[in-house]
Amino acid sequence: NAGVMQNPRHLVRRRGQEARLRCSPMKGHSHVYWYRQLPEEGLKFMVYLQKENIIDESGMPKERFSAEFPKEGPSILRIQQVVRGDSAAYFCASSPSRGRGPVAGANVLTFGAGSRLTVL
Amino acid sequence: QQPVQSPQAVILREGEDAVINCSSSKALYSVHWYRQKHGEAPVFLMILLKGGEQKGHDKISASFNEKKQQSSLYLTASQLSYSGTYFCGTEKAGGKIIFGKGTRLHILP
Repeated sequence: NAGVMQNPRHLVRRRGQEARLRCSPMKGHSHVYWYRQLPEEGLKFMVYLQKENIIDESGMPKERFSAEFPKEGPSILRIQQVVRGDSAAYFCASSPSRGRGPVAGANVLTFGAGSRLTVL
Repeated sequence: QQPVQSPQAVILREGEDAVINCSSSKALYSVHWYRQKHGEAPVFLMILLKGGEQKGHDKISASFNEKKQQSSLYLTASQLSYSGTYFCGTEKAGGKIIFGKGTRLHILP
């Protein structure tokens, strides 16, 4: 089991370009979470998805940010027209369906190694 | 609705004990604890589902007081490998998990 795979690990973009970050969950996991982390800060919730559904996107900026988790393929976090303030580490985490993980009734998260976005 | 962690940072000598606290202003469904080493992904430590529950993992244990909406992480006889940033996360109805700002723990030899 390869774990949660994120790519690219490092991404450099100029202001105004688009950034696409990909996340392949662990095998058998149907839930994906995206978090943003600034240096020396915590993990800020962005969005929670299941296959083909956005469950909670309350942490996503209203503009320029979008996320999807299609039936086939990885989850994608897309940032359009990037600005310097978007520079951060973006972590993806996956969990199995509630009740199917190591702790019944809870979402235990397995994190990927993160994608570090730098906007010049 | 972000949980509040305290202290923000701790420096210990190897073998000393530490307590990290996590509190929320809202009712908690469960509390998660993760550790992140510098430049790495956060790693799951434990989850507490019931009020008053205590769990242990090697020399790391935690308690969850549902009534006070608080959880505490206890690290006893700390080892160098315990260094890192500890995050508590609170799970809301529906599955969303919100993390605190973290507590940085540095263990000196």
